[in-house]
Amino acid sequence: SQTIHQWPATLVQPVGSPLSLECTVEGTSNPNLYWYRQAAGRGLQLLFYSVGIGQISSEVPQNLSASRPQDRQFILSSKKLLLSDSGFYLCAWSPGTGGLETQYFGPGTRLLVL
Amino acid sequence: EDQVTQSPEALRLQEGESSSLNCSYTVSGLRGLFWYRQDPGKGPEFLFTLYSAGEEKEKERLKATLTKKESFLHITAPKPEDSATYLCAVKEWGGSEKLVFGKGTKLTVNP
Repeated sequence: SQTIHQWPATLVQPVGSPLSLECTVEGTSNPNLYWYRQAAGRGLQLLFYSVGIGQISSEVPQNLSASRPQDRQFILSSKKLLLSDSGFYLCAWSPGTGGLETQYFGPGTRLLVL
Repeated sequence: EDQVTQSPEALRLQEGESSSLNCSYTVSGLRGLFWYRQDPGKGPEFLFTLYSAGEEKEKERLKATLTKKESFLHITAPKPEDSATYLCAVKEWGGSEKLVFGKGTKLTVNP
């Protein structure tokens, strides 16, 4: 069976500091990978998605970037955090076969920028 | 204008009191509609995918239905453990791979 991991689970960072969140998937190959952000009172917002190693699509221009150095690894980064970057960050995967694939979510990372 | 609207925002039920949650959507071509359950502090858990009007899917006390403009999540004889936020999302033809989510319905089932 497939498993998705995210770490850290919780992170408190000062404004202006860098960020690196990691997501890995087990039990599948060539998955599509996604980063979402969930802010209080708002729906989940897609930030980035990837259909393969080194292939990143950005949905929302912002202070963040994503990378996919390995098939089942997805990283969300920032060089300088803003207060507005606080939120609940969720990684998701779907089978990379094209079509109506369901997305399966990880446990999330709670980020608080002070 | 939001593409996905969920109602009500919050719903309180007594154990055993059946009800329905609504998800209305305004996309030009629906590829799929997805229901998730989210517990506090956790990632969303997949429940159902619906592809075409008239389709229905069931899982334990939950039943999801789909029309051309909305979806309903029916909860029959709910239990306290059904308390969670229920999220609806859509994927449309011609768009990116993103799911567009509603803001969710927070369900509380009292014993």
